[in-house]
Amino acid sequence: ETGVTQSPTHLIKTRGQQVTLRCSSQSGHNTVSWYQQALGQGPQFIFQYYREEKNGRGNFPPRFSGLQFPNYSSELNVNALELDDSALYLCASSLDTSPYGYTFGSGTRLTVV
Amino acid sequence: GNSVTQMEGPVTLSEEAFLTINCTYTATGYPSLFWYVQYPGEGLQLLLKATKADDKGSNKGFEATYRKETTSFHLEKGSVQVSDSAVYFCALSDGGNTGNQFYFGTGTSLTVIP
Repeated sequence: ETGVTQSPTHLIKTRGQQVTLRCSSQSGHNTVSWYQQALGQGPQFIFQYYREEKNGRGNFPPRFSGLQFPNYSSELNVNALELDDSALYLCASSLDTSPYGYTFGSGTRLTVV
Repeated sequence: GNSVTQMEGPVTLSEEAFLTINCTYTATGYPSLFWYVQYPGEGLQLLLKATKADDKGSNKGFEATYRKETTSFHLEKGSVQVSDSAVYFCALSDGGNTGNQFYFGTGTSLTVIP
């Protein structure tokens, strides 16, 4: 059974640019959640997708958007990048929105300069 | 609202020492509580969980008891090893009002020296 795969692993972008981060969920999982982990902080919830529909959103501005594909992989898009967007972005997959059995990926380290 | 407060680090212990990492929470309902561990360069791994008051979660020698009266979920291990060096996160899930999201503490970095 494969785990959660995120790409790319590292990324450097310039302020004002747009970025797309990708996540392949674990086999059999139909729910994907995205988290932002700033340096030295705990992860913060961005949003969750369940069977291609958004199922909750955290306190992030609209320039953070996403989608989930029929194969349950997912993308996180961030427009108009700001320096404070520099963080580790974690994707987690699970079965049927249950908080038990989350599998986290290793994350994408985004640096905005 | 929901929040988690955990003991600030970093924590440095000698091998075989006793470990306690304090965690308290605020929640509007009846949350499930979790401890996650993050090794360098990796994502989060579930260490243990408890789903209701007085439940004890345990794994790999680590334990934590869900204490509703003190709103706490302290992590303990009787004898730490060098391989336990990592960052530990306490978290709660509120069960569905906002997409079953996790609320994480800020993390406690543990270093175990031989």
